Amino acid sequence: QQQVKQSPQSLIVQKGGISIINCAYENTAFDYFPWYQQFPGKGPALLIAIRPDVSEKKEGRFTISFNKSAKQFSLHIMDSQPGDSATYFCAASTGTSYDKVIFGPGTSLSVIP
Amino acid sequence: GAVVSQHPSWVICKSGTSVKIECRSLDFQATTMFWYRQFPKQSLMLMATSNEGSKATYEQGVEKDKFLINHASLTLSTLTVTSAHPEDSSFYICSAIRLAGYNEQFFGPGTRLTVL
Repeated sequence: QQQVKQSPQSLIVQKGGISIINCAYENTAFDYFPWYQQFPGKGPALLIAIRPDVSEKKEGRFTISFNKSAKQFSLHIMDSQPGDSATYFCAASTGTSYDKVIFGPGTSLSVIP
Repeated sequence: GAVVSQHPSWVICKSGTSVKIECRSLDFQATTMFWYRQFPKQSLMLMATSNEGSKATYEQGVEKDKFLINHASLTLSTLTVTSAHPEDSSFYICSAIRLAGYNEQFFGPGTRLTVL
């Protein structure tokens, strides 16, 4: 019940296209859903995060869509660029400030010119 | 922004030696830090939660005597890999929670450990 599922495992998108990564969770106590971007040999960096009181959050080219009833959330990257090529992790945690974050298995995104 | 640093960024050691990795929050105080391990093309595996001034909480299956964690201050946590073996070779990443934040974790750049 602590798992966060993520798909696809890998994704190839043409430059200018839309990249979509989907995640699902079981634990209804989760109420904070961040996305992290990780480049090879680097630590993950927080990209965008959402809480269940909103269904969508947009920051620049990155949008999170959240479906509380389905316990699913997704990341959309609009106008994908080669510089977006990285591994993306969705994650979830409960509201307790110091609670651990559960990570999905990751999606390797390649944006080709 | 909130910056977390790690030192060293990479280390090579001989089997049987101990290696210490430092994690520092540079511009904020962090009562809680986390240590992760990541194998190539895999997700982050939480090893332990480090709380300032108290003993670390280890995840199931993580040997606490092998991976010693000390959270000496609000800005520093250390991970010591004792009697390292080749199977301990991995990418170790720390993260810190900003004191006033809502579980917003900031990650360090990671430390690549290679045990020969």
